[in-house]
Amino acid sequence: AQTIHQWPVAEIKAVGSPLSLGCTIKGKSSPNLYWYWQATGGTLQQLFYSITVGQVESVVQLNLSASRPKDDQFILSTEKLLLSHSGFYLCAFYGGANAETLYFGSGTRLTVL
Amino acid sequence: GDSVTQTEGLVTLTKGLPVMLNCTYQTTYSPFLFWYVQHLNEAPKLLLKSSTDNKRTEHQGFYATLHKSSSSFHLQKSSVQLSDSALYFCALSDDTNTGKLTFGDGTVLTVKP
Repeated sequence: AQTIHQWPVAEIKAVGSPLSLGCTIKGKSSPNLYWYWQATGGTLQQLFYSITVGQVESVVQLNLSASRPKDDQFILSTEKLLLSHSGFYLCAFYGGANAETLYFGSGTRLTVL
Repeated sequence: GDSVTQTEGLVTLTKGLPVMLNCTYQTTYSPFLFWYVQHLNEAPKLLLKSSTDNKRTEHQGFYATLHKSSSSFHLQKSSVQLSDSALYFCALSDDTNTGKLTFGDGTVLTVKP
C-alpha cells in the first residue's frame, strides 16, 4: 500500500524565521510529488511539482522553495517567513489504477505570527 | 487555460434533504473530473471521479455524471447527513504528468439537525 507522511503536523513561527516542511512517500517508486497550499477555507493552489530526484518545477512564486533530495522525499522551505505564508500545506502524489488520482498527505498547519 | 467553476460558496441544508453542488469546467483537452471532500482540519479526500461521458459514478451515497455536452459534473446526494458537513472541491485534470489539477473555489456544505 502507498502511504504518504508529512511532518510536522503543525508549526507556529515568527515572521522572518526559516521553515522546513517534509513529505515522505512509501510503497511507490519514482512518484510524481506535489506541494499544495490552502488558505483557511480557501481553494487548493499548486506550488511545486517534481517528477524525479533533483528536479523541481515551480508553479507559483510565493517566496518558497522546494527540493527533492531522495526519490521518496519532498521538502518545502523558506529562509524568511511572511505573514502570508500561513495556511495548510499539503503534499500529494498520483495513485490509483492508472495513476490518475491525486492523493494528499495529512498536511501541515502553519501559523506565522 | 483550464478552469473550474463552483457557483455555490455555501450551502446549508437540513438533515435528510437532497443536495446538488454545481460544477462546470472549461478545457480544450479530454477532461477527467474529480470531487474531493475535506472535513475540518483534515486533508482533502477523493470522493468521486470520472472521465466517461454520461455515465453515473457513485460512492458513499454521493453520485455525479460527467456531461461533456454541458461541461458539467454536479455532485448529488438524495439525503444528506450531519457527517456530510464539509468543504467540497470539484477538480479537473488533463495532464497527469505535471499533476496539473485545477480546483474550483470549493463549496461549504453545512447540514443542520
